[in-house]
This record gives sequence, C-alpha cells and structure tokens, in this order.
Amino acid sequence: DTAVSQTPKYLVTQMGNDKSIKCEQNLGHDTMYWYKQDSKKFLKIMFSYNNKELIINETVPNRFSPKSPDKAHLNLHINSLELGDSAVYFCASSRDRRTNEKLFFGSGTQLSVL
Amino acid sequence: LAKTTQPISMDSYEGQEVNITCSHNNIATNDYITWYQQFPSQGPRFIIQGYKTKVTNEVASLFIPADRKSSTLSLPRVSLSDTAVYYCLVGDQLNTGGFKTIFGAGTRLFVKA
Repeated sequence: DTAVSQTPKYLVTQMGNDKSIKCEQNLGHDTMYWYKQDSKKFLKIMFSYNNKELIINETVPNRFSPKSPDKAHLNLHINSLELGDSAVYFCASSRDRRTNEKLFFGSGTQLSVL
Repeated sequence: LAKTTQPISMDSYEGQEVNITCSHNNIATNDYITWYQQFPSQGPRFIIQGYKTKVTNEVASLFIPADRKSSTLSLPRVSLSDTAVYYCLVGDQLNTGGFKTIFGAGTRLFVKA
C-alpha cells in the first residue's frame, strides 16, 4: 500500500483550463502539504493543512485552491492554468504540525501546460 | 528565516565515502537538521535527522558541530543507486504556531562506476 498517493501522475492540459490533483494518505497523519518543484528542482511549500484547517498559505496565486474534505485527503484545484504553472507538484504528510516532523511524500504529479 | 547552503553538485565513484556539507548559520535553538534524498520522478525521502553531535542509522551518518551552524551528511561506500539529489533542511517556526520545512536547492550527487 502506498502511504501517500496522488493522482494523476501526469497531467497535460491547455492554458486557461481548470484542473485538479488529488492526494490521499493512509498513515493516519494530521498534517498534509502541497509542494511545487520547478525545473531547477527547487522545492517550495504552497499550502499546509492540519486536521482540515489551513495553517500555511504561501504567496501563491489565488487560482490555486486547496481543499481538505477530511484529514486523510488534500486536493489541489487550479483555475485558469498558465504556462508558468508547469511543474511537478508533490503532496506530503506528517504526523502532526510540530517542529521537525518527518515528511512523507507522494510520487508527484507532473503538470504540463501547453 | 533559517536558510541552508550546500554544494550544487558532487561526483564520486562506487565504494567511496561521500560527505556533503550544509551550512545553516541562522539555525534556531529548537531547530533540528534533516536530510532528504530524491531520485528522479520520485518524491523526497527522509534519510536522517539530528540536533547535535553525531547520529547514525543504517543509511547514513550525520555530524553536527557544537555551534550547529553546519552539518555533514556522510554516505559510506556509495553505489550507483545513491545517485540522487540530497536536501539539507532546517525549519521555520510560524508566527501562527506550527512549523514550516524549508528546502534548499539540494546537492546533486552523481556516482560513477
């Protein structure tokens, strides 16, 4: 069983479209995250939820909207996709929001906007 | 905001010991130092974490001097499968409570036969 699973693995779409990426963790963790990795491999945090509550909201365009229906799921919806949104998006989870908790990552969703 | 600096890339040969050093001059008192490994087309994977002195597990060792302004990840006898990007992390305490993990640029290790 995959601990943190995200779908789809690949997403190719046209500019202006709306798309969603889903993430689920079966580790019983309280905290989940979305990270964006650009072509230079920099990994930047976008959002974090703790028990369905938004606790980290970095400087991200409001076209990106996370949704956490329960603590095991954190989905990412992106409106009006732009070329610059092309990247790999990683979902992650940790036991809780406390300092230095180990992060468990999904295998990523490669988004290509044409 | 605590930041890390590490070499952009390193080359090694199979069987050698590899040491990757990370500097984190502004590390906070309650910060731990964590290292992750990332293979192509995969998410980062936890390797090791420490607060001070030395930590060893089945994969690596982590050396942290007394001032904690740097740390060194040591990989004993690397193999081709250790070719990956290695990230050194320290944390950032949020004003609202909680904790944010900051990833640096990482070190691309290439192990040659």
